[in-house]
Amino acid sequence: EDQVTQSPEALRLQEGESSSLNCSYTVSGLRGLFWYRQDPGKGPEFLFTLYSAGEEKEKERLKATLTKKESFLHITAPKPEDSATYLCAVQARVDSSYKLIFGSGTRLLVRP
Amino acid sequence: GAGVSQSPSNKVTEKGKDVELRCDPISGHTALYWYRQSLGQGLEFLIYFQGNSAPDKSGLPSDRFSAERTGGSVSTLTIQRTQQEDSAVYLCASSHRPLAGANNEQFFGPGTRLTVL
Repeated sequence: EDQVTQSPEALRLQEGESSSLNCSYTVSGLRGLFWYRQDPGKGPEFLFTLYSAGEEKEKERLKATLTKKESFLHITAPKPEDSATYLCAVQARVDSSYKLIFGSGTRLLVRP
Repeated sequence: GAGVSQSPSNKVTEKGKDVELRCDPISGHTALYWYRQSLGQGLEFLIYFQGNSAPDKSGLPSDRFSAERTGGSVSTLTIQRTQQEDSAVYLCASSHRPLAGANNEQFFGPGTRLTVL
C-alpha cells in the first residue's frame, strides 16, 4: 500500500537551532515529491518539488533533499516566523491514474 | 495575481441539510482538486478534474458527495444529507499542468471550514 510518513509529529526548536524534518515513503512509480507549509487557518503553501534521488532545492533557511526512500527538510537557524505545519506529498501512479498522497505533517514551533 | 479562492470561508449547517462549496481556481489552470482535512490530519484526496471532466473520483467518501466543474473554471462540491462526520476543512487546489505531468505544483485556496451540528 502506498504510504507517506512524516516524523516527528511535532518539533520545538529555539530560534537559531537547526534541525531536520523527515518524510519517508513507500510508493510505486514515484513521479515527484512535494513540500508544503501550512499556517493555521490557511491552505498549504507550495515550497519545493523534487523529482529524483540526489536532488536538492533551497529557499531561504529551508533545504529539501531526496533519496529513494525519504526526503528531508533541513531548517537552518530557524526564526519564529518559520513556525508552521510542514506537509510532504508524493505524486505516485496508482492503477491507471496518478495521485498526490499526503503525510500527516510535522508541526514546527520555533521559540524566540 | 489572484490565487485560488473558496467560498464560503465558514459554513455551519444542521445534520441532514445539503451544502455547496465553491472553488475559483487560478485563471488558466486546467487541473482542479478537492481535498478534505480533518483536525490535525493530513489531506485526504476527494476528486480531480482535468478541464470539465473528472478522471478520478475515487476519493469521494460516499454517494452523498458530488462535484462538478463548468467552463473549465469554477467547481462546486456538494454534500447531500450532511452528517457530523463530514465536519472538516475542505480545500481546493489548482495546477497549470495535468496531474500525470511534471511541473504540476498544486496551489491551494484558504479552504472552507464546514461544521455539521
